[in-house]
Amino acid sequence: DAKTTQPNSMESNEEEPVHLPCNHSTISGTDYIHWYRQLPSQGPEYVIHGLTSNVNNRMASLAIAEDRKSSTLILHRATLRDAAVYYCILRDVNNFNKFYFGSGTKLNVKP
Amino acid sequence: GAGVSQTPSNKVTEKGKYVELRCDPISGHTALYWYRQSLGQGPEFLIYFQGTGAADDSGLPNDRFFAVRPEGSVSTLKIQRTERGDSAVYLCASSPALGETQYFGPGTRLLVL
Repeated sequence: DAKTTQPNSMESNEEEPVHLPCNHSTISGTDYIHWYRQLPSQGPEYVIHGLTSNVNNRMASLAIAEDRKSSTLILHRATLRDAAVYYCILRDVNNFNKFYFGSGTKLNVKP
Repeated sequence: GAGVSQTPSNKVTEKGKYVELRCDPISGHTALYWYRQSLGQGPEFLIYFQGTGAADDSGLPNDRFFAVRPEGSVSTLKIQRTERGDSAVYLCASSPALGETQYFGPGTRLLVL
């Protein structure tokens, strides 16, 4: 299964944009890129996903490199509530029910 | 609407005992998943169900672990002869159908003394 690499931790100031990177150099053509986040003492929650094109939703934006070997989750204005562990996950369309979470990036948001 | 619920929220047991962890998925969701999360790590896939049948149990660590979903709704994860290494948060998720977004419960924190 293709793996992802993320920084262990990042820090941001409240109300500033945050760019969370993810490398997935061994991604295959059938892998979707998913992002989930996990707030303290809670289960993970879906953030966004994409295949090739950039994606936007009410929570975030996902920018996918042209070669698909990396992607960036963008939080446009970080709030204290966005402090969480963010997981970048590759999901094979042919085996889409197995999620491999990795260790994620712990985002700290400073007031 | 109601999300995925898991009971108990915390469970403390002694080494060698048997435990059952329950998951109530979102109503109408046909797919159900179990994950295990150790401290400081991301969740690790254990098993998933489509309806009543276990479609993939390749993540179960050994034969002490077993899960059922007899009526296609509630699921129970069963651990026999618990070991200290089984201590973790056990997460359940459900999705409307296979391949769709997974919605996670808050987890059950299991501590084996």
